[in-house]
Amino acid sequence: DAGVIQSPRHEVTEMGQEVTLRCKPISGHNSLFWYRQTMMRGLELLIYFNNNVPIDDSGMPEDRFSAKMPNASFSTLKIQPSEPRDSAVYFCASSQNDPYGYTFGSGTRLTVV
Amino acid sequence: DAKTTQPNSMESNEEEPVHLPCNHSTISGTDYIHWYRQLPSQGPEYVIHGLTSNVNNRMASLAIAEDRKSSTLILHRATLRDAAVYYCILRDSGNTGKLIFGQGTTLQVKP
Repeated sequence: DAGVIQSPRHEVTEMGQEVTLRCKPISGHNSLFWYRQTMMRGLELLIYFNNNVPIDDSGMPEDRFSAKMPNASFSTLKIQPSEPRDSAVYFCASSQNDPYGYTFGSGTRLTVV
Repeated sequence: DAKTTQPNSMESNEEEPVHLPCNHSTISGTDYIHWYRQLPSQGPEYVIHGLTSNVNNRMASLAIAEDRKSSTLILHRATLRDAAVYYCILRDSGNTGKLIFGQGTTLQVKP
């Protein structure tokens, strides 16, 4: 089991550019979560999917952020256009459909200059 | 979302037990108590969870108060590798129970 796989590990982009973060959840997990972590705000839940369907996107900061889960093995988080305040570590996590634990990926460190 | 309260930081000596407290006075009957930890420069890592009874696994023990309004994560022998931020979180047992992280407790382990 390779765990939750996120790519890229690091991303540096210029303000105004489009950024796409990718996540491959653990096979058999049917819930997927996107989090953002900054020093100021800690870990924030952005959006989560259950059986590939977005359930709650109330944490998505604004319309510049969008997330998709076209199938059970892949999800993307897109920021367009990116801004310096989007700089953070973005984590993806997956879970089975019960109260068991989440498994987090290693995160993508995004820097927008 | 039910909230939890944890001390901002704690210190421990290596090879001594550590008791990390968490208060969750507004817990509902369907909320599971989850603990995660985040080592420096890594993603959060599941530690343990429970509902009513005390739980043990290879990483830690979870002691849950009888009224479920508080719990304690117990590391039996702290090592330097246990230095991390520890999060106590309530997760609804519903099909899409989400985890809302607070600020957690930063545990420092001294050699």
